[in-house]
This record gives sequence, structure tokens and C-alpha cells, in this order.
Amino acid sequence: NAGVTQTPKFQVLKTGQSMTLQCAQDMNHEYMSWYRQDPGMGLRLIHYSVGAGITDQGEVPNGYNVSRSTTEDFPLRLLSAAPSQTSVYFCASSWSPESDTQYFGPGTRLTVL
Amino acid sequence: LAKTTQPISMDSYEGQEVNITCSHNNIATNDYITWYQQFPSQGPRFIIQGYKTKVTNEVASLFIPADRKSSTLSLPRVSLSDTAVYYCLVGDSGAGSYQLTFGKGTKLSVIP
Repeated sequence: NAGVTQTPKFQVLKTGQSMTLQCAQDMNHEYMSWYRQDPGMGLRLIHYSVGAGITDQGEVPNGYNVSRSTTEDFPLRLLSAAPSQTSVYFCASSWSPESDTQYFGPGTRLTVL
Repeated sequence: LAKTTQPISMDSYEGQEVNITCSHNNIATNDYITWYQQFPSQGPRFIIQGYKTKVTNEVASLFIPADRKSSTLSLPRVSLSDTAVYYCLVGDSGAGSYQLTFGKGTKLSVIP
């Protein structure tokens, strides 16, 4: 199993550009989530999904959209990138929403100029 | 949201036992306590989880008192490779959803 994969690993955007961060897992996990981590900070939850077709907002959802058309994929879209969105983004998955054992991807380092 | 409080940083010499304590005064009855480890430029990795008393695995031990308002992660005989940030989490199962809240964690530096 590849576990949780994220692409790209690095990305530089200009203010106002849009892009999609990809996340995929091959463990048949129902629960997937996106976090951002700023320097010296913990992880903050952006959006999460408890299954295909179901998504919900986390702590910091503004400026981001998600969709969950399949169990495996959970892309994160930046609609109009802003410098405040410069961060490292982690995708995670787990067997169920009640499971505290989340598996994290390697992260995407995003810089918005 | 069930919040946690941990020391910001700790230093330890190689070979010593390290204990990191986490406070979670408003933990809910159904909440479990989970610890993650994060190395630089990597995603967090699950270490251990518990509900009460003591849990031990090949990596660490977790001690939880009867009132569950705190927990202590114990790392036996740390090595340089244990230098990382350690997060204590308590799940938030309110409002029909389940969200994990990561604090700033404890940065452990192991000194040769």
C-alpha cells in the first residue's frame, strides 16, 4: 500500500491564482481531512469528509473548497490564492470519523507570492 | 472543543527517560487521548492512544490518572532520533462530527 499520497510536494503561486492540491489514499478509509501547518504552529483543520459525497468545514475553511467524489480522493482547491495561505498542507485519512489514528501524507509546501 | 496544554519544549540527554505531560481539563466521557510524533518536513505519525490507566507499546507508554484530566507520554531511553515535536490530542465528538484538535505540541530536543 502506498498509504496517503499528496501532489505536488512544492508549489509556488502568485496572488489570485487558483490550484488544486491532490490527496489520495489506498486503504479504503472513509474519513479524510486537510490540515495546514504554519511555522512553529500546530496543525489546523481546514475541511474533512466522513465519506464519499459528504464534506464539512473545520477550523479554518475560508478560501478553500473540497469535494469527495470517490473514497480514495480528496482534493483541496484554493480559489484565489493569498499570501496568508502560504503554509504546509497535510492530508490525512482514517478508518472512521471516530478513529483517532490518522495516517498523514508527506505534505505540500505552498508559497503564495 | 476539548483543548490541551503541553510544555512548549523539553531537552533531554540520550539514554534518559522522557516524560511529557498534557493537561486536558474538559475531556469528554467518550474521548480518547492520542499522541502523535512529527519530524521536520514530515506529516505527524501516530504513537499511542489510551482511555484510562496505562497503555504500553513498543515505542512508548501512556499514563492516564483516574480523573483523566491529564496524561503523560513516557519515552524510555531516548536517542537522537527521538528529536521531534510531540502532540497530545483529545478528540472532539460534539455536534455530531468528530474532529481532532492539534495544539502547538512539545518540541523535544535530545542532546548527545
